[in-house]
This record gives sequence, structure tokens and C-alpha cells, in this order.
Amino acid sequence: AQSVAQPEDQVNVAEGNPLTVKCTYSVSGNPYLFWYVQYPNRGLQFLLKYITGDNLVKGSYGFEAEFNKSQTSFHLKKPSALVSDSALYFCAVRDVGGDKLIFGTGTRLQVFP
Amino acid sequence: GAGVSQSPRYKVTKRGQDVALRCDPISGHVSLYWYRQALGQGPEFLTYFNYEAQQDKSGLPNDRFSAERPEGSISTLTIQRTEQRDSAMYRCASSLGLAGGQSTDTQYFGPGTRLTVL
Repeated sequence: AQSVAQPEDQVNVAEGNPLTVKCTYSVSGNPYLFWYVQYPNRGLQFLLKYITGDNLVKGSYGFEAEFNKSQTSFHLKKPSALVSDSALYFCAVRDVGGDKLIFGTGTRLQVFP
Repeated sequence: GAGVSQSPRYKVTKRGQDVALRCDPISGHVSLYWYRQALGQGPEFLTYFNYEAQQDKSGLPNDRFSAERPEGSISTLTIQRTEQRDSAMYRCASSLGLAGGQSTDTQYFGPGTRLTVL
């Protein structure tokens, strides 16, 4: 069965420092991977996705993610964190043979000024 | 353009009552999905439609839950005889959808409906 794991419940980083939010996946076949962000009292917003091609994917708000097949990881990164990046981040994988997304449990990012 | 909208945004009901949650997808989107998100968890799939056809309802927890999309646009998720364990955020998403095969489309989510069953 397909799954994703987000090993950190919370990540704390100082404003201006680089940030990484971790995600590992388990799928049979080629993985289609997504990152979403959830701000308080708002819906899930799409950040970026990996389907095929370049392992470094660039997305919204300066975020990027690196697909690593050998480590089965898809970590979300940003070179310089902003306080406004503080939110809940979800990694997801498309179910093989279907269209539903399978989400991780989420990582809360806290950026301190 | 307008995103996915859901109504109501908040619903408080008493145990045993029926509730209907509405989702209006992005115009022109073929595929529509329902997810449920418990506090502290990621969204979990319930069901999805291509046009008016329900393609997969494997995530519906029991027969009290049903969904429809009669005209291929707006969808309604209905929960009959609600129970306290049904309390959660119910999220709807839509995507462009592709004819046949596995879609790699992005799913765009609405703001959700927070359901509280007393």
C-alpha cells in the first residue's frame, strides 16, 4: 500500500535561515508526490508536485523540493525562511491505479523572528 | 478565477440528525474529491467523481455516508444519523481531470466544512 511519512511533528527555524521539512514515501511504481500548506482557518493550498523529470522541483512562495529515489524522500526546502511561512505542511502521494491522494500526518513549521 | 467553495463553513448538529455538506468545484473541473480530516491528522480520502459518475467510494466509512454529483458540477456529501465520531473537517477538492488513465492533475482544495456533532 502507498504511504508517506512525515517524521517531524514540528520544525522550528529562525527567520532568514534555511528550512527543511522532511517526507519519505513508500509506493509501488513511479511516485507522484505533492506538497500542500495549511494556514489557520484556511484550506489546503498547493505548493508543488513531482511527476517526472528534474529531481528539483520549484513551487510557490519560494519553496522547492528534492526528489530522491534512492532514499525514497521528497523533502521540502526553502533557502531563507519567513515568519509568514509558519503553517502546517502536508506531504502527499497519488495512489497508484487511482486518483486519490494519501497524506502524511503533517509537520508544523514555526519560524521565529 | 473562483476557487473551490464549500458550504456551510461550520455546522453544529445534534447526534442522530442528518447533515448535507455542499461543494462547488472550480468551473470546468471534471474531477471532484471528498476528504475528511480529523484534528492533528492529514486528510483521508472518502470518495470521488468524474463528471457525475462516482468512481471510487472506498473511503466512505459506512452506509450512513453518501455523496452525489447529479449534474457533474456541485456535489453533496450527506451523513445520516450523525454520531459524535463524525465530527471533523470535511474537505472538497477538484481537478481538471483527464479522460482515461491515471491523472497527474493537481487537486485544489476548498476551505472545508467544520462539522461538530453534539
